[in-house]
Amino acid sequence: KNEVEQSPQNLTAQEGEFITINCSYSVGISALHWLQQHPGGGIVSLFMLSSGKKKHGRLIATINIQEKHSSLHITASHPRDSAVYICAVRSNTDKLIFGTGTRLQVFP
Amino acid sequence: EAQVTQNPRYLITVTGKKLTVTCSQNMNHEYMSWYRQDPGLGLRQIYYSMNVEVTDKGDVPEGYKVSRKEKRNFPLILESPSPNQTSLYFCASSRISNYGYTFGSGTRLTVV
Repeated sequence: KNEVEQSPQNLTAQEGEFITINCSYSVGISALHWLQQHPGGGIVSLFMLSSGKKKHGRLIATINIQEKHSSLHITASHPRDSAVYICAVRSNTDKLIFGTGTRLQVFP
Repeated sequence: EAQVTQNPRYLITVTGKKLTVTCSQNMNHEYMSWYRQDPGLGLRQIYYSMNVEVTDKGDVPEGYKVSRKEKRNFPLILESPSPNQTSLYFCASSRISNYGYTFGSGTRLTVV
């Protein structure tokens, strides 16, 4: 069983829809990261969370430490949001463990 | 511009021929790390470094070496590459372990 599980693996949406991607983990962590990888391959760091909630533009990330669960929400989705979204946790031993990613396609 | 620079972007090599992928950051970050990305397996950590002369194994260190002689550079060395090391490699850095990461553009390595 993977230490970091993401769902769904694939997601398609119409432009304007509200999107949620989930991440569950089974190890002790010091922080959780949400990353975005575009088709060209580059990886961008979206959020780092150790508690609560963060918002950046149309993106919102939340984490529940007790339940070992995090969600990434995209409001008013747009085709340019199409990418792979990756959840990663920094374990208490400083290793970074990744989920396998959620491939999002937003159609006009 | 704050960035992590990896070179080369693409590399095709033959089995057993030693190679080095360079990684350099201009942000004075303490933490640097290497990852490989494979279809169906996602990203996996190879090695990481918390500071100069401090390196630690990640989940898949076999067949790789690293060094951290200077704060800005963290090269990945494949002493005897094999076809199972064909992958997309990323370097990343962070100010300290619990800050956001800056990733390099990736190196696509093919070993034939």
